[in-house]
Amino acid sequence: DTAVSQTPKYLVTQMGNDKSIKCEQNLGHDTMYWYKQDSKKFLKIMFSYNNKELIINETVPNRFSPKSPDKAHLNLHINSLELGDSAVYFCASSPTGTMNTGELFFGEGSRLTVL
Amino acid sequence: DAKTTQPNSMESNEEEPVHLPCNHSTISGTDYIHWYRQLPSQGPEYVIHGLTSNVNNRMASLAIAEDRKSSTLILHRATLRDAAVYYCILGGADKIIFGKGTRLHILP
Repeated sequence: DTAVSQTPKYLVTQMGNDKSIKCEQNLGHDTMYWYKQDSKKFLKIMFSYNNKELIINETVPNRFSPKSPDKAHLNLHINSLELGDSAVYFCASSPTGTMNTGELFFGEGSRLTVL
Repeated sequence: DAKTTQPNSMESNEEEPVHLPCNHSTISGTDYIHWYRQLPSQGPEYVIHGLTSNVNNRMASLAIAEDRKSSTLILHRATLRDAAVYYCILGGADKIIFGKGTRLHILP
């Protein structure tokens, strides 16, 4: 069983469209995250949720809206896609709200290409 | 925000130990030091973490300087499967900062 699973793995779409990436974890963790890895391979946190509540929002444009229906799911919806949104998006989860004691478990990533 | 500095890339021969350095001179007293690695086309994978004392696990060892301004990830016997980007990360209550990472090449 995959611990942190993301769908879709690949997504190609046109500028201006709206798309969603789904993430589910079966580890029973309280905290989930979305990270963005751009073409230069920099890995940056976007959001973190703890028990369905937003904890961190790292100056992400409001076109990006995370939604957590329950603590096992954290979906990422992106409106009005732009070329600069092309990246690999990683979902992660951890058993604690900070990185101080818990380790992060990452999904395999969703590669978004905006044309 | 505390930042980390790592060499862009390193090379090592297979079956030899590898020492990956990380500088974090502005680390705060509550920051843990985490290491992750990312294999090609995969998500990052946890390797090890520590606060003040050196740490060992089945994957690696972490040596932390006494002043905590630097640390070294030690792979005791590198294999080709250890070729990856290694990230040194400082973890705090509101800070989750990835370094640029070190791309480790393993030579057969």
